[in-house]
Amino acid sequence: GDSVTQMEGPVTLSEEAFLTINCTYTATGYPSLFWYVQYPGEGLQLLLKATKADDKGSNKGFEATYRKETTSFHLEKGSVQVSDSAVYFCALSLQGAQKLVFGQGTRLTINP
Amino acid sequence: ETGVTQSPTHLIKTRGQQVTLRCSSQSGHNTVSWYQQALGQGPQFIFQYYREEENGRGNFPPRFSGLQFPNYSSELNVNALELDDSALYLCASTPDSSTDTQYFGPGTRLTVL
Repeated sequence: GDSVTQMEGPVTLSEEAFLTINCTYTATGYPSLFWYVQYPGEGLQLLLKATKADDKGSNKGFEATYRKETTSFHLEKGSVQVSDSAVYFCALSLQGAQKLVFGQGTRLTINP
Repeated sequence: ETGVTQSPTHLIKTRGQQVTLRCSSQSGHNTVSWYQQALGQGPQFIFQYYREEENGRGNFPPRFSGLQFPNYSSELNVNALELDDSALYLCASTPDSSTDTQYFGPGTRLTVL
């Protein structure tokens, strides 16, 4: 079945470090791919998305590129801030299905 | 700000009781989905409604049921609560203009004792 696998956390970095959170997927069709972020005690916020191969989603300094050949959608940011501390979820949605399939989440902590 | 609100914020119930959780989305969002997020896990799809009809269901038993109303509000009902139902319940709405994107509310934290 359709699934999403994220790198295991927790991830701890210093402020201004480079961030990569790996995400790979398995899907029977051509999914749309998403990154959501969850701050402590809150719901999910859409961070970025990409709907077809080679698309790059970007928002708030975060980027992810839809790589069909490696079935990946890794999240990157060049210089993280303390305020980026949160749990990050990679997810896919198949056309017509409209349900989101989530990875298990990666907890990110940024130290000053 | 997604325009999706949920109530209550927190809820404590005992095993065997029934609970109703509520969600309100905005005009033009005719699709609503519900997810269960256990502690430390990713959200799991419960079901989805489109224009008041169920439009897909995940691997949840029939004691999880829902309703959607014409005023863009919806409910998740859970009967015969079990301890494992303790979780954050998230509602998400989808705008008709962008059917691959879901916007989440803040969630309802349910604790079953």
